[in-house]
Formats: sequence, C-alpha cells, structure tokens
Amino acid sequence: NAGVTQTPKFRILKIGQSMTLQCTQDMNHNYMYWYRQDPGMGLKLIYYSVGAGITDKGEVPNGYNVSRSTTEDFPLRLELAAPSQTSVYFCASSYGGMQPQHFGDGTRLSIL
Amino acid sequence: AQSVTQLGSHVSVSEGALVLLRCNYSSSVPPYLFWYVQYPNQGLQLLLKYTSAATLVKGINGFEAEFKKSETSFHLTKPSAHMSDAAEYFCAVSDPTENTGKLIFGQGTTLQVKP
Repeated sequence: NAGVTQTPKFRILKIGQSMTLQCTQDMNHNYMYWYRQDPGMGLKLIYYSVGAGITDKGEVPNGYNVSRSTTEDFPLRLELAAPSQTSVYFCASSYGGMQPQHFGDGTRLSIL
Repeated sequence: AQSVTQLGSHVSVSEGALVLLRCNYSSSVPPYLFWYVQYPNQGLQLLLKYTSAATLVKGINGFEAEFKKSETSFHLTKPSAHMSDAAEYFCAVSDPTENTGKLIFGQGTTLQVKP
C-alpha cells in the first residue's frame, strides 16, 4: 500500500514564484490535512478537509490555498512564495475525527 | 483554546534505561490525545492514542502512556530504551466535540539513546 504520497520531496523556489505541493492517498480517507513543520515549533495545521468539496482554514493559512475535488487528492498551492514559507510540509489523512492520521514523508521547501 | 506543552526539547538516556517523555495539555473539554514518533527524513507514525477509554494506553514498540485528568498530563514511558528508539516524539491533542480531527502539536522532544 502506498498510503499518503507527497510530491515533490524537495524543491527550491525563488521569492514570488508559485508552486503546488501534491498529496494523494489510496486509503479512501475522507479527512485530509496539511501541516508545516519548523524546527522547535512542532507541526502547525495549514488547511484541512473533511470530504471532497469541503475545505477549511487551520492555524496558519495565510499565503496558501487548497482544493479538494476528489477524495484521493488534496493539493496545497503557494501563490507568491516568501522566505517565511521555507519549511517541511506534511500531508496527512484519516478515516474520521477520532482516528489517527497517516502522514506522508514530507516536502522540503526552500525559498530564496 | 487547546494547547500542548512538552517539557524538555532534548532527553538523553542510556540504552536499557527508563524513557519518560512529558506532555501536559490545556483543554476546556476532555480531549483526545496522541503520541507520534518521527524518524529522520520521514513522516510521523502513531505510537498510541487516548480516546476516553482506558486511562493507561499501550502502544507499539513497548511504549505506553497514562492519561491523568487531575494533572492534565499524558506522559510517554518505556521501561527499557533501545538504540532504535532514538527519534523525535510529538504529543498532540484534538477536540472531540469538533469531529474534525484537527491536531494541536507540542514542540517535540528529541530522544537520544546512548550505548
């Protein structure tokens, strides 16, 4: 089983560029999440979705956008990259609110 | 609002010694609580979870945690550390009344195991 797959694994962007971080899961999970991880800060929730067509903001949504057109995919969009968005991004999915989340291996993003 | 505090960003133990990683939470309602482990360059893996059943929860790899409401704590323990336990550990909390599964994470604790 592939589980949660994130692409790319690494990326370097210039300030002002845009990109989409891809996330797909093959477990038929309704709930999906995007987190960012910064050293010494734990993980912070950016956006989440409880089903196709439904998305909502997390703790740190500014500078990001998401869409959820299918159950499997939950892409994260950076429109105007800023140095403060340098981070490791994790996508996760779960069956429901009390169920544990399954994480991808992350995307390391550097913005210079 | 919920929050999680992990006491100690780095913990070092000898192989075979007791592992104790501390987690305290703040929540207006009895929360769901989770411990995750992260190995280098990998995503997070679930160690164990508390969802209002038994207060002593057993997880994978010999870890367990006890939910203590009076102390608002959910400390992670393992009787005997192994070299393979070296990793970063995260405590997380979610609000069961929201049913969104949103997690609030602690800052993480890096466990070093010395031979």
